[in-house]
Amino acid sequence: NAGVTQTPKFQVLKTGQSMTLQCAQDMNHNSMYWYRQDPGMGLRLIYYSASEGTTDKGEVPNGYNVSRLNKREFSLRLESAAPSQTSVYFCASTTDRYYTGNTIYFGEGSWLTVV
Amino acid sequence: GQSLEQPSEVTAVEGAIVQINCTYQTSGFYGLSWYQQHDGGAPTFLSYNGLDGLEETGRFSSFLSRSDSYGYLLLQELQMKDSASYFCAVRDMDSNYQLIWGAGTKLIIKP
Repeated sequence: NAGVTQTPKFQVLKTGQSMTLQCAQDMNHNSMYWYRQDPGMGLRLIYYSASEGTTDKGEVPNGYNVSRLNKREFSLRLESAAPSQTSVYFCASTTDRYYTGNTIYFGEGSWLTVV
Repeated sequence: GQSLEQPSEVTAVEGAIVQINCTYQTSGFYGLSWYQQHDGGAPTFLSYNGLDGLEETGRFSSFLSRSDSYGYLLLQELQMKDSASYFCAVRDMDSNYQLIWGAGTKLIIKP
């Protein structure tokens, strides 16, 4: 059971370059999330999708775009990377459309460095 | 505004008991969750308290007092593998009912 799979695991970008982080879950979950985690900090929500076909901004959406391609896949795009976007990115999913306490499952993380 | 406060670091001895506190200030309240994260790993779910009281899962327990806007995670019979960061999270009305997360408590266990 793969759970939540995200790629790539590591990436170095130059300032101004673009890239897409891919995420897929095989648990038939409704909600999917993209978080970033900076050293010594908790998770901050970038974007989320409560169901297929919908996306909403989270706490820190600037500089990012997302696509909920289908129920399984939720991608995060950096159009013009900036050093401030250097972080660890986590994709996550849960069965809830609106969180009621069910387990949120996380991918293994993507380490992104922008130079 | 919304906020969660938890200690940045806690140190304990193997075999002992440790309590990690979390106080929150949010618009509305919809439950307190706890997650564990080992260095370099992904967060994993530990517990959820929707109502006041104690929830027990093996060596881990979590407590909530909504009147005090306070909760804690209790870890018993500490093992070296419990060395990790522990995050509390609450669902917040002002964040469109999405979870907001504390900065995490790093638990250091000494033999």
